[in-house]
Amino acid sequence: NAGVTQTPKFRVLKTGQSMTLLCAQDMNHEYMYWYRQDPGMGLRLIHYSVGEGTTAKGEVPDGYNVSRLKKQNFLLGLESAAPSQTSVYFCASSQGEQYFGPGTRLTVT
Amino acid sequence: GENVEQHPSTLSVQEGDSAVIKCTYSDSASNYFPWYKQELGKRPQLIIDIRSNVGEKKDQRIAVTLNKTAKHFSLHITETQPEDSAVYFCAASDSGGGADGLTFGKGTHLIIQP
Repeated sequence: NAGVTQTPKFRVLKTGQSMTLLCAQDMNHEYMYWYRQDPGMGLRLIHYSVGEGTTAKGEVPDGYNVSRLKKQNFLLGLESAAPSQTSVYFCASSQGEQYFGPGTRLTVT
Repeated sequence: GENVEQHPSTLSVQEGDSAVIKCTYSDSASNYFPWYKQELGKRPQLIIDIRSNVGEKKDQRIAVTLNKTAKHFSLHITETQPEDSAVYFCAASDSGGGADGLTFGKGTHLIIQP
């Protein structure tokens, strides 16, 4: 039982490049989330999903897109990366209590 | 939307003393209030949570209190130990267990002095 896993762990992008972050959970949870964590800012919700095939915007959705084609996976896409998207990204899943993945550290230069 | 304020940003206490971290929230519809502990370079981990139908909850050395009228909740850690050193985050949600996501405070860096 791996819980919540994230791929990749680290990534460096140049401005304008695109990438997809993958989150997977093996707990059969309905709800999944993407947060970003910046120094002194806590965690902020980017997008979330309350079930397979559904997505919704959180507090800071601009510049990101998401997809939930399978219940166990939640993808976060950056179509044209900007330096302001340098952050640590955490995925979480929930069926009550939220369980977080190990995080992805993204640097955009 | 919801806004969660957390104080203090840094808290230094002597080992064995108690630590208290306070949070206020703005949305009176919020009904779920978890607390997370995050060690350096690690993921946030839930340490305790409380729902709006309960005023206090304890788990060994950790307790959380909720005042719905004043819209604030607090984390209390007694008999602090070196392993309690970490960043603590409070959060709030108006969807029960947080189905629509959590709004977090900005965190408190708790330092336990030997």
